[in-house]
Amino acid sequence: DVKVTQSSRYLVKRTGEKVFLECVQDMDHENMFWYRQDPGLGLRLIYFSYDVKMKEKGDIPEGYSVSREKKERFSLILESASTNQTSMYLCASSFDPSYGYTFGSGTRLTVV
Amino acid sequence: DQQVKQNSPSLSVQEGRISILNCDYTNSMFDYFLWYKKYPAEGPTFLISISSIKDKNEDGRFTVFLNKSAKHLSLHIVPSQPGDSAVYFCAASARGGTSYGKLTFGQGTILTVHP
Repeated sequence: DVKVTQSSRYLVKRTGEKVFLECVQDMDHENMFWYRQDPGLGLRLIYFSYDVKMKEKGDIPEGYSVSREKKERFSLILESASTNQTSMYLCASSFDPSYGYTFGSGTRLTVV
Repeated sequence: DQQVKQNSPSLSVQEGRISILNCDYTNSMFDYFLWYKKYPAEGPTFLISISSIKDKNEDGRFTVFLNKSAKHLSLHIVPSQPGDSAVYFCAASARGGTSYGKLTFGQGTILTVHP
């Protein structure tokens, strides 16, 4: 089974801090995604990547950046954390995105 | 622009009865549909999918129905069990075009199955 590992389950950060969320997958998938989940809003795409060093903006990229230096690792960066970035962050990877993803367990980020 | 909509935020059913979760979409380019299930503090897990060339797909207690003309799909769970209590997300993809096949998700429906 594909395994997608997110480095932290819970994080608490202060407003203005730079925050790194790490995601690693072990199935050599080219496609990786970052979503955030908020009640009533579902899963919203922040950024995605189809190859090493390649990135594309999703639907809500403002306030975020990403890094993909190696195929297995996709990092989400909050440049200056704000309280409205308090959310559940979900990483996913896929061989063929149109057929679905495998998700990590999520990181619950609280910005205070 | 919410291209995939789940208009019922929550659904409550009795154990053993049928659960029906609904999903509507607006983008006629969508040709593959999926349902994911999510427990609190866990990532979503794939449940069942359907291609637009079909109108029904069944897997054990779970059946997904697709009505392309109405741009509507539904997930039926029969019989419902307390362990089915979770958030259910509908998702869609367009395997052609410029969307690169990435999934668009609905808002989710919280299903509660009472013993």
